[in-house]
Parts: sequence; structure tokens; C-alpha cells
Amino acid sequence: KNEVEQSPQNLTAQEGEFITINCSYSVGISALHWLQQHPGGGIVSLFMLSSGKKKHGRLIATINIQEKHSSLHITASHPRDSAVYICAVMNYGGSQGNLIFGKGTKLSVKP
Amino acid sequence: DAGVTQSPTHLIKTRGQQVTLRCSPKSGHDTVSWYQQALGQGPQFIFQYYEEEERQRGNFPDRFSGHQFPNYSSELNVNALLLGDSALYLCASSLDRHYYGYTFGSGTRLTVV
Repeated sequence: KNEVEQSPQNLTAQEGEFITINCSYSVGISALHWLQQHPGGGIVSLFMLSSGKKKHGRLIATINIQEKHSSLHITASHPRDSAVYICAVMNYGGSQGNLIFGKGTKLSVKP
Repeated sequence: DAGVTQSPTHLIKTRGQQVTLRCSPKSGHDTVSWYQQALGQGPQFIFQYYEEEERQRGNFPDRFSGHQFPNYSSELNVNALLLGDSALYLCASSLDRHYYGYTFGSGTRLTVV
């Protein structure tokens, strides 16, 4: 079993829909990242969370440390949101920083 | 303020050859981590450099080696290339003892033929 599990693996939505991507992890963490990767491209960090909730524009990220679960929400989705969204955790107590990545959720937003 | 810069962006090599990839960290960052991302997979940790030393290493063979320079920039070297080494190689920089500011480069796409 992977230490970081994301669901769903693939997601197709119509423009304007509310989208939720989930991430569950099995290790103790000090922080969790939500990342965005466009086809053939590098990775952009969207959020880094250690507790609670963060919001940036149409994106909202939440984390529940007790349940070892995080969600990324996209409100009023748009075709430009089409990308792979990756959850990555920074393992608590380990050396500063290697991230453990989920396999990503491929989001396609249709106009 | 420049982010993480990687070069080259694309590279084609022949099986058995050697390759060097380069990474310049974000200004103010002193730690560089390298990741390999095969097509359709999440990134896999290769190693991390801090104070010019390899501090942590993932499950990669000795054909993968690296270096960090006094200006914190870093190189990833891969010897005896295999077809399976074809991947996107990502560099990320951060400031040691801080969990914030983990910043990725755009990656180098390596194709081994």
C-alpha cells in the first residue's frame, strides 16, 4: 500500500462544476503539499498545509491531521484548471525534506 | 526573484552514455532535492544535497550521483544510461530547517534511445 493515496485517479468535469480531490496518508507528517502539473511541464506548488484550511482564489485546501486526510477543492472550475494535481507529504521526524508523493489526479475540465 | 532553474529543458541520449543535469536553487535556498518522474507516475526521490554533501538518498543505484557547489547549485549525473532512465527529472530547492518555500523547477526531460 502506498504511503500517500489519492482519489480519484482521473476526473472529468464540466466547466463551472465544484471539484474535490482527496488525499490520505499513512505516515506522520509535518506538512502536506498540493501541487499542480500541466502536461509535459514542471510542478507548481499550490498550497503547503500543516493544519486547518487555506484558500487562494478558487482553490481551497483542507487538512485533518487526526484523520490523516486532506482535500483540494476547486470552485467554478475552468478548462484552464485541467492538469494533474499531486498530493505530497513531508515525513514527520525525518531529515529535512524529502517529499512522499501520491500518484496524482488527472483533472480534465470540459467547456 | 528567479525561482528554481534547470538546464537543459530537453535532452536525448543514447543507451550507455552519461548525462549531467543542472539545477540552480531559488535565491536564499540552500538545499536541493532531485526527483525522477516516469511517465504517468508521481515523482520519486533520488537524493538531497545540503552543505555540499548528500544528506539523504532514495532507492536509486550508484549510477545516479550528484554534487552541490558552494553557491548551492547542484548537478545530477547518470552513468551508463538505460532506456528506463527516460523520465522528467525535477529539482526542488528549500531552506534547511524550514518546511516552507519548497520550490520546484520545470524539469529536464531526458529521453534515452
